[in-house]
Amino acid sequence: AQSVTQPDIHITVSEGASLELRCNYSYGATPYLFWYVQSPGQGLQLLLKYFSGDTLVQGIKGFEAEFKRSQSSFNLRKPSVHWSDAAEYFCAVGLTSGTYKYIFGTGTRLKVLA
Amino acid sequence: EAQVTQNPRYLITVTGKKLTVTCSQNMNHEYMSWYRQDPGLGLRQIYYSMNVEVTDKGDVPEGYKVSRKEKRNFPLILESPSPNQTSLYFCASSLSYGRAWYFGPGTRLLVL
Repeated sequence: AQSVTQPDIHITVSEGASLELRCNYSYGATPYLFWYVQSPGQGLQLLLKYFSGDTLVQGIKGFEAEFKRSQSSFNLRKPSVHWSDAAEYFCAVGLTSGTYKYIFGTGTRLKVLA
Repeated sequence: EAQVTQNPRYLITVTGKKLTVTCSQNMNHEYMSWYRQDPGLGLRQIYYSMNVEVTDKGDVPEGYKVSRKEKRNFPLILESPSPNQTSLYFCASSLSYGRAWYFGPGTRLLVL
C-alpha cells in the first residue's frame, strides 16, 4: 500500500542552525511531491513542490527540498532557521497512476530555541 | 481575494444528528477535497472531486458523503455522526490534479 513516512515526530533546533526534515514514500511510480507548513491554529500553506525535472527545488521562506528517486525520499532543508519557522511540517504525495488521491505524512513538529 | 471558506468553523453535536459542513472556493478550481486531521495521524483524505458531478473516495470515506453540484461548492455530509468523527476538518481546492492545494481555515467538530 502507498504510504508517506516522516520519521521525526518532533525536532528542536536553535535559531540560526540548519534544518533537515525527512520524508520517505512508498509508491511504485514517481508521485507528485509536496511540503506544507501549518502554523498553530492555522491552515496549511504550500512550501514547495516537485513534479519533474531538476531534483532540487526551491520554495518560499528560504526552504528547499531534494528528490532522490533511489531512496524514495524528498527531504526538506533550510540553511538557517528563524524563530518564526516553528510550526508543523507535512510531506505529501499525489499519486500518479490510475488514481487522483493524495497521501500526507503524519507531520514533524519543529521547535526553535532562541 | 482568492480563498476557500468553510462553515461552520466550530461545531458541537450529538451522536446521530445529521450535519453538513459547507465548503466554497472562488478560484474556479476543478479539484476539491476534504481532509480530516487527527493528532499523530496527519491529514487523511476523505473524499475528492475532480469536477462537477465527479467524486471519489479517499482513504477514510466511511461515515461521510459529499456532492459536487456546482464547481465552487463541495459540502461534507455526516448522516449519522459518531464520536470517532470528532476531528479537525479541512476543505481544499486546486486548479487541477497535481497542482498546489489551497486550504480552508478548518472546521473543528466535536461529536458527543
